[in-house]
Amino acid sequence: DGGITQSPKYLFRKEGQNVTLSCEQNLNHDAMYWYRQDPGQGLRLIYYSQIVNDFQKGDIAEGYSVSREKKESFPLTVTSAQKNPTAFYLCASSTRRARSSYEQYFGPGTRLTVT
Amino acid sequence: AQKVTQAQTEISVVEKEDVTLDCVYETRDTTYYLFWYKQPPSGELVFLIRRNSFDEQNEISGRYSWNFQKSTSSFNFTITASQVVDSAVYFCALSERNQAGTALIFGKGTTLSVSS
Repeated sequence: DGGITQSPKYLFRKEGQNVTLSCEQNLNHDAMYWYRQDPGQGLRLIYYSQIVNDFQKGDIAEGYSVSREKKESFPLTVTSAQKNPTAFYLCASSTRRARSSYEQYFGPGTRLTVT
Repeated sequence: AQKVTQAQTEISVVEKEDVTLDCVYETRDTTYYLFWYKQPPSGELVFLIRRNSFDEQNEISGRYSWNFQKSTSSFNFTITASQVVDSAVYFCALSERNQAGTALIFGKGTTLSVSS
């Protein structure tokens, strides 16, 4: 079945450690996104990538880094510079075909807890 | 600037009641898309509907219906005869058509609780 996978579902790290969240899609979508969700805050964009080897910062990119070496994969690294890393992280993808409505499909999310 | 406002933070209803979730948006573009997503307790966002800015026809899908009014910049979502399984957080979102591959702008969500 086509879809987006994120692993692991729950992740625990000590403060000061970098951690990488994985996101893989087999939908043949060009664009991929990372969002952060905090209670009562909705979803906020961290980074997005429209094509391989290219990505742009979103609204809250500080303390995060990404790579897009393959169309299927868009890993997110939460660095020690991120002041409040504990959150629920959602990955999404969408097509960029002409006349598409660009709806985004989401993975199941990774809940990161940093102590 | 683009903005999506969901003024209702939490709504509680009893099963079989009808409930309407409000969504008001702001955009300078004339071509845009509006979306509704459902987030059940499992956390994954489930796509419900998209509507483009040129199509103001209301849509019905089973117990779900959507009312898009450009005059008031609103895209409200109604659940008829609510069920316990409808309990979730619902997000309204906006994207501009001429920016392919850019992110959705989400409202802060409305938490719907349906009790039996």
